[in-house]
Amino acid sequence: EAGVAQSPRYKIIEKRQSVAFWCNPISGHATLYWYQQILGQGPKLLIQFQNNGVVDDSQLPKDRFSAERLKGVDSTLKIQPAKLEDSAVYLCASSLDRLNYGYTFGSGTRLTVV
Amino acid sequence: KNEVEQSPQNLTAQEGEFITINCSYSVGISALHWLQQHPGGGIVSLFMLSSGKKKHGRLIATINIQEKHSSLHITASHPRDSAVYICAAPMYSGGGADGLTFGKGTHLIIQP
Repeated sequence: EAGVAQSPRYKIIEKRQSVAFWCNPISGHATLYWYQQILGQGPKLLIQFQNNGVVDDSQLPKDRFSAERLKGVDSTLKIQPAKLEDSAVYLCASSLDRLNYGYTFGSGTRLTVV
Repeated sequence: KNEVEQSPQNLTAQEGEFITINCSYSVGISALHWLQQHPGGGIVSLFMLSSGKKKHGRLIATINIQEKHSSLHITASHPRDSAVYICAAPMYSGGGADGLTFGKGTHLIIQP
């Protein structure tokens, strides 16, 4: 089966610019997660979707970050405007049934804000 | 909300050595995850376990639910095992929100 697809792999932008990341989960996986991984740290959950509904966005900086999963399949994460501290790897993961099958992660998008 | 602690943060060993990485968490969970991340690479799931022990090749993961503690062991370590190993647990003890809280990872280097 195809894995979780993410694009772009790398992105360099200037501070105050906007950027968007795309994720296509494994077919049939209802649950989708976005994580932020700052260099040297473990990933931190930004948002969890169940189909096209938001389950948890308590750690999403909503003043600048937004995410959507309109048709319950692929998802987009946006940052506007970007700050230097947003430099990180943005990981997407999906799950069919986390209790029995766990999670599958994408390769991530490495964002550098200069 | 779950807190996940991992140790050691960095570990360098010689090829062939037995490796142990420890993980503790604060809130009761349904399952704990061990993951592997290579430099520049994505995250690969190694184990998901809720009790006892699991083995896959030279990797062994154990968990003690009562003590809220898990260990990842690598037998006959090899340079290709060099990676960051991350322990992760569900953020909350129940409900629909089931994102993971990750430890900071253990950076393992196996020298030939």
